[in-house]
Parts: sequence; C-alpha cells; structure tokens
Amino acid sequence: DTAVSQTPKYLVTQMGNDKSIKCEQNLGHDTMYWYKQDSKKFLKIMFSYNNKELIINETVPNRFSPKSPDKAHLNLHINSLELGDSAVYFCASSQEQGTPEAFFGQGTRLTVV
Amino acid sequence: QKEVEQDPGPLSVPEGAIVSLNCTYSNSAFQYFMWYRQYSRKGPELLMYTYSSGNKEDGRFTAQVDKSSKYISLFIRDSQPSDSATYLCAMSLTGNQFYFGTGTSLTVIP
Repeated sequence: DTAVSQTPKYLVTQMGNDKSIKCEQNLGHDTMYWYKQDSKKFLKIMFSYNNKELIINETVPNRFSPKSPDKAHLNLHINSLELGDSAVYFCASSQEQGTPEAFFGQGTRLTVV
Repeated sequence: QKEVEQDPGPLSVPEGAIVSLNCTYSNSAFQYFMWYRQYSRKGPELLMYTYSSGNKEDGRFTAQVDKSSKYISLFIRDSQPSDSATYLCAMSLTGNQFYFGTGTSLTVIP
C-alpha cells in the first residue's frame, strides 16, 4: 500500500524530448509537491499544489509544467529536455497547508542524454 | 548564501557510538525544523520535527533547536548499522515550503 507513488522510477531520454512523470497519493492529503534533487543530494522545491490550486511556483523554467487533475494526483510535464534536467524528481504530499510533515515518493531518476 | 547549510560528511562511526548531525541557517523567521532520513535510492522520510525552539526526543533520536544561534542538531544514541543513510535537515516558515540542507551521509560500521 504505497502512500505516494511515482511513475516511472527511471527515465532515460534524449535532449529535446518531452516527458511526463506521474504522481499519486492515497493518503487523502490536500497538498502535493514536486522537488528536484541534484547530484549533490540538494533537495529543492519546484511546485506546491493545495486542492488542485498552485500555491508555490519556484524559479523553474517554463518548460516544466505541473498538472493536478484532482487532489490525489500531481503530474509533471517537461518540454524540450536539457542535459541539466538530469536529476531525481520527488513527489511529496502533506495533510494540509501548514503541516510540516511531508511524505515523499520513491523518486524518478531522470537522465537526459 | 544558501538558506540552510549542512556539512555533507561523509561521517563514519562504529556501532554504538553517539552521532551528532548539525545544520545552520540564515533566516531567523524559520519556525519549523525537521530531520529527514534518506536511504540510498529511496525518498526522504520524516524522522521528527520541532516547532520553534527546544528539544524533542523520540527513542534513540533527539532533536535540538537553538534559534538564538540559528543552529539545529540531531543526536543518535547507540547508533546501529541500520542508521546508515543520508540525513537531511529542513526548515520552514509556515509549514508549506521547506528549505533543505544538502544532507550528511552517515555510515555506522558493525
């Protein structure tokens, strides 16, 4: 019974391609996030959604577009992939805004070649 | 300057040792202080969090926050090989947006 699940777990693709990562949580949480972890393990927030509404949009290239069809899902679409996009992308959720306890998915390891 | 600074290590200790992990931060407005543990190829999992200052204990783990020094610590007593992981500190103003440290890699040697 995975709480926060992401697909795919691994993604290898060529520069210039468009790809999507899907995330689903079955915890009934209201808030979902996308984080990027670089090769030095630095974890940085990209987006936050609360009840399908965008709350946080950090300085992220326009090529990254999150979509939340319902509060249990937050997908990440990336256009025109670049080498620098290679990283591990984590989806997370928390019960509501202002709750510091976040549950993370297993991550999607994206490699752009 | 990063919001949160954390010594990346690596840190290697013998089993049973007391481990001290630390982070410093620059934003005095942070109210939530968290410690996450991340095993290799896994997502971070929350160990414990503290609101404002003070100490919090949970089993072998103790978190301390010193807001006057902008310094937080995680102590692990009687460390076990299963504690080998990367430990990430994280902070937040409102509980919505978390600022993470770069993580400290810990290895506990049997």
